[in-house]
This record gives sequence, structure tokens and C-alpha cells, in this order.
Amino acid sequence: AQSVTQLDSQVPVFEEAPVELRCNYSSSVSVYLFWYVQYPNQGLQLLLKYLSGSTLVKGINGFEAEFNKSQTSFHLRKPSVHISDTAEYFCAVRSYSSASKIIFGSGTRLSIRP
Amino acid sequence: GAGVSQTPSNKVTEKGKYVELRCDPISGHTALYWYRQSLGQGPEFLIYFQGTGAADDSGLPNDRFFAVRPEGSVSTLKIQRTERGDSAVYLCASSQTSGVQETQYFGPGTRLLVL
Repeated sequence: AQSVTQLDSQVPVFEEAPVELRCNYSSSVSVYLFWYVQYPNQGLQLLLKYLSGSTLVKGINGFEAEFNKSQTSFHLRKPSVHISDTAEYFCAVRSYSSASKIIFGSGTRLSIRP
Repeated sequence: GAGVSQTPSNKVTEKGKYVELRCDPISGHTALYWYRQSLGQGPEFLIYFQGTGAADDSGLPNDRFFAVRPEGSVSTLKIQRTERGDSAVYLCASSQTSGVQETQYFGPGTRLLVL
């Protein structure tokens, strides 16, 4: 079984400041890792994913995440945030052997202050 | 439309009633997924279809929940004898195939409120 922990339910940040959203996972099997974003009143959108290869993954809107196998983490970062980044961010995993479910964390609400 | 669509966008019903939620996947996508997102939580998997058949229904909470995809395209999630605890946003997603590396594309969801 897999589980995903997002320790920060809310992260307030000033505009143009850097941000890191933390994600840790637990799994007895190898997994793929994802970050999804949910803008207000919109559906979930894939931000980035780690499948294999380089542990540093770059996604849309200037976000990147780093896979750390020893720490079972997949933290999301952005060097300078904008008001438009205000959204809910979900970390998720999917096992190599599962053709079905994605397991999501509980989400982190990123609020940007001007 | 190019994306996954879901109807209705909002549904209010009374406890004990029957509801149907509809999902139109992206054209040509063979895999379809249903998730449920309760307030303050991440989406939770309900059921997955590959073509017309339910390949994994392990996430359905009980036998009041049922889903179909008779022609391998549109899917309907059916909830019998609704309870207040069923109130949530029901999300549908589709992917081109069921490969584990495939991206799942999500619809905007149906917000269900059971009074």
C-alpha cells in the first residue's frame, strides 16, 4: 500500500518570494510521483511528474520538484511566486504495478500575498 | 471540447434519493477513472474502467455505489439511497491508455450535496 503526506495544509508566501511545498510518501513498491494543481473553481491539472532518470523534474509555470529516494520525498519548489500561483497543490503517487489508482495527499493551499 | 466534461456541475438532493453523475472523457481515451474529493482532502480513488469493463472497483465505499461505461466512452456513476456523508466533489479522469506512465486528465467535477 502507498500513502502520501503533505505536512503543510496552508503556506502563505509574499509575491516574488521562493516557496517549497513538502511531500513525503510511503510505499512498499516502486512508485511514480506527481504534483497536481487545482486553481479556484477549476479541475486538477498535472504540474509535473517523475517517472525515471534525472531526479530533478521541471514542470509548467516555473515549478520544479526533486525526487529523493532515501528520504522518500518529492518536494515542490518555485524560486519566485506570482499571485496567479494561488491554488491547492496535491502530491500523488502511483505504483509501478497499478494501472488504476493514483494516491493523493491531502493538499497544500498556497496563498500569495502582494 | 478537448477536455473531460462532467454533468451536472452541481447536484443537490435529499437523503435517500438516487443520483446519477455523468462523465464524458477525452475522445479516444480508453481508460476512465472516478475519484471522490471530500472537503479539505485529496481525491480518493473509486473505480477504474478499461474500455467497457470495470478493471478495479476496490475504491467503491459500499454497494450503494455503482458505475457503468456501456460503450467504452461515457460513464455514469450511480449512487442509491444517498446519505449526507456522500456529499463531496466527484471527479472523473481519463487517459489514452491504462499504462502506468500515462497522464490522467481530470474534469471539473460534480459537486454533490445531500441534505
